[in-house]
Amino acid sequence: DSGVTQTPKHLITATGQRVTLRCSPRSGDLSVYWYQQSLDQGLQFLIQYYNGEERAKGNILERFSAQQFPDLHSELNLSSLELGDSALYFCASTGPNTEAFFGQGTRLTVV
Amino acid sequence: DAKTTQPNSMESNEEEPVHLPCNHSTISGTDYIHWYRQLPSQGPEYVIHGLTSNVNNRMASLAIAEDRKSSTLILHRATLRDAAVYYCILKEGAQKLVFGQGTRLTINP
Repeated sequence: DSGVTQTPKHLITATGQRVTLRCSPRSGDLSVYWYQQSLDQGLQFLIQYYNGEERAKGNILERFSAQQFPDLHSELNLSSLELGDSALYFCASTGPNTEAFFGQGTRLTVV
Repeated sequence: DAKTTQPNSMESNEEEPVHLPCNHSTISGTDYIHWYRQLPSQGPEYVIHGLTSNVNNRMASLAIAEDRKSSTLILHRATLRDAAVYYCILKEGAQKLVFGQGTRLTINP
């Protein structure tokens, strides 16, 4: 158990819909990262938050957004979903000078 | 982001040592070398990291070349549970982890 909790574990939704993925970091970790892993792609960095503020942005689509709340949990919002958004979405957290701990992921299937 | 090069796949036998190579010829002086692995259907998992000196922990050893342009992850006695994709990543400070394609390690019983 990494200490990072992601919910839900599985999500099936239709094209055009909007979903929210949730991540609770390890206790005390201020940084949260989101990654997308499709079948034909590796782990793609989407976005990083540090103590509530956006720190780094990767190849995140405009239809996607994220935020980190005062209690440090984070949410990734995916809207106007397309078939190609079907993927595993991972959240990771780090503390100062620690390695990254990853959650078990949310498997999103868009039908 | 500094780039690493790893073989796409490797195969080894159970209870034998495994040496996973990684080339990083453009590494900068402040880049740490990190290794993560991803078991099937799981999130990536930290394995080990180092800067200049060789490192050992309960999971593996990391051997870093003197010029730091390459490194090798060593699993001393592979088990079936070590079958995973292994990622070699260069990371400076609090930067994000940038994953490449990694090496898919197969362990034969």
